[in-house]
Amino acid sequence: QQQVKQSPQSLIVQKGGIPIINCAYENTAFDYFPWYQQFPGKGPALLIAIRPDVSEKKEGRFTISFNKSAKQFSLHIMDSQPGDSATYFCAAGRRRALTFGSGTRLQVQP
Amino acid sequence: SQTIHQWPATLVQPVGSPLSLECTVEGTSNPNLYWYRQAAGRGLQLLFYSVGIGQISSEVPQNLSASRPQDRQFILSSKKLLLSDSGFYLCASSGGPGDTQYFGPGTRLTVL
Repeated sequence: QQQVKQSPQSLIVQKGGIPIINCAYENTAFDYFPWYQQFPGKGPALLIAIRPDVSEKKEGRFTISFNKSAKQFSLHIMDSQPGDSATYFCAAGRRRALTFGSGTRLQVQP
Repeated sequence: SQTIHQWPATLVQPVGSPLSLECTVEGTSNPNLYWYRQAAGRGLQLLFYSVGIGQISSEVPQNLSASRPQDRQFILSSKKLLLSDSGFYLCASSGGPGDTQYFGPGTRLTVL
């Protein structure tokens, strides 16, 4: 019941495209859903996060869409750039405990 | 905001040798602290977490151990390293009223 399933495992898009990464969770007690961005050899950095009381949150070119009934949430990257090439992790949790997805390796081609 | 320091940044150790990785946190008090391991191209595996000094919970049974001697210091140790202990070790901190975990820069451990 703690699992968070993330897809796809890898993704290649052209510059300007809109990559979409999806996550699904099982535990209905989860109330915090962050996304992290990780560059090779670095620690993950918080990108954007959402609570289940809203269905969408935007920060710059990054948008989280949240579907509470389906227990799914997704990350959209608008106008993607080569600098967005990284591994993205979703997570779900409650009270400071997070369960992470397996990660999506995104490559944005020039 | 929180800043997490980890050292060393990289480490190459022979099989059977001991290990000590250190993590310190600035900018918060009484944080929850976490140790994760990340194998190459893989996700994050939670190893240990701590809600306070001397309080350690282990998520995965193995030859690693953790200690929290001070509020903002978290140490990962091993008496005898195995080849399978190689990986990227990340310390994370969660403090304040929110649930966000902030990660340190990581330690790349290679066991030969």
